[in-house]
Amino acid sequence: NAGVMQNPRHLVRRRGQEARLRCSPMKGHSHVYWYRQLPEEGLKFMVYLQKENIIDESGMPKERFSAEFPKEGPSILRIQQVVRGDSAAYFCASSPGQVADTQYFGPGTRLTVL
Amino acid sequence: GNSVTQMEGPVTLSEEAFLTINCTYTATGYPSLFWYVQYPGEGLQLLLKATKADDKGSNKGFEATYRKETTSFHLEKGSVQVSDSAVYFCALSDATGANSKLTFGKGITLSVRP
Repeated sequence: NAGVMQNPRHLVRRRGQEARLRCSPMKGHSHVYWYRQLPEEGLKFMVYLQKENIIDESGMPKERFSAEFPKEGPSILRIQQVVRGDSAAYFCASSPGQVADTQYFGPGTRLTVL
Repeated sequence: GNSVTQMEGPVTLSEEAFLTINCTYTATGYPSLFWYVQYPGEGLQLLLKATKADDKGSNKGFEATYRKETTSFHLEKGSVQVSDSAVYFCALSDATGANSKLTFGKGITLSVRP
C-alpha cells in the first residue's frame, strides 16, 4: 500500500511564476490536509479538503493561493505569482476521515523562489 | 486559539542517555495529542499519540503521557540511539466533526552522538 505521494519533491520558480504542487493521498483516504513549513518553524495548517470540497481554508493566504481535490486525480495546491516569502516546504497529509484520525504525511515539496 | 509550546533546542545527547522533550499545550476543548518525527529530507511520521487524559502513548521505546492537569505531553526515552537523531514535533488536534487539522509546536532537533 503506497503512502502519500507528493510531486515534485523540489521545485524552483522565479518571482511572478506559478507553482503547482501535487498530492496523491493513500489508497482509501478521502481527506487531504496541506501544511507549510517555513525555515526554523513548525508546520502551519493551510487547508483541509474532501473530494470536490474545501472544508476549511482558514490557514490559506487570501490571495494567490488556491487548492482543489477533484473527483479524479491528485489534490493540487496552486500558488500564483510567487514571491520569495513563499519559499518553504509544503506537506500534504491524508486520513480516512474519522474524527481524530491519524494523518499520514507525504515527503513534501520544497519550493524555492529565486 | 490552540497552541503548542515545545522546549527550545537543539538537544545533543550521547548514545544510551535519557531523553526528555517538554511539550505543553493550550486548547479550548479536549484535544488528541501527538508526537511526530521528521528524519532529514523526509516527511513527518507519527511516533505516538494519546486521545484522552491519562492515556500513555508508546512506540519504539518512546513514551508520552497525556496530563490534563498540567496540559503537558512530554516525550521520554530511557536510552537513545544514534538512529533517533531527527526533528521531533509535538502536535494537537482539537477535532471538530471530521476536521482533524493539526496545530504543531516549532519542533526540536535531537542529535545523538555515538
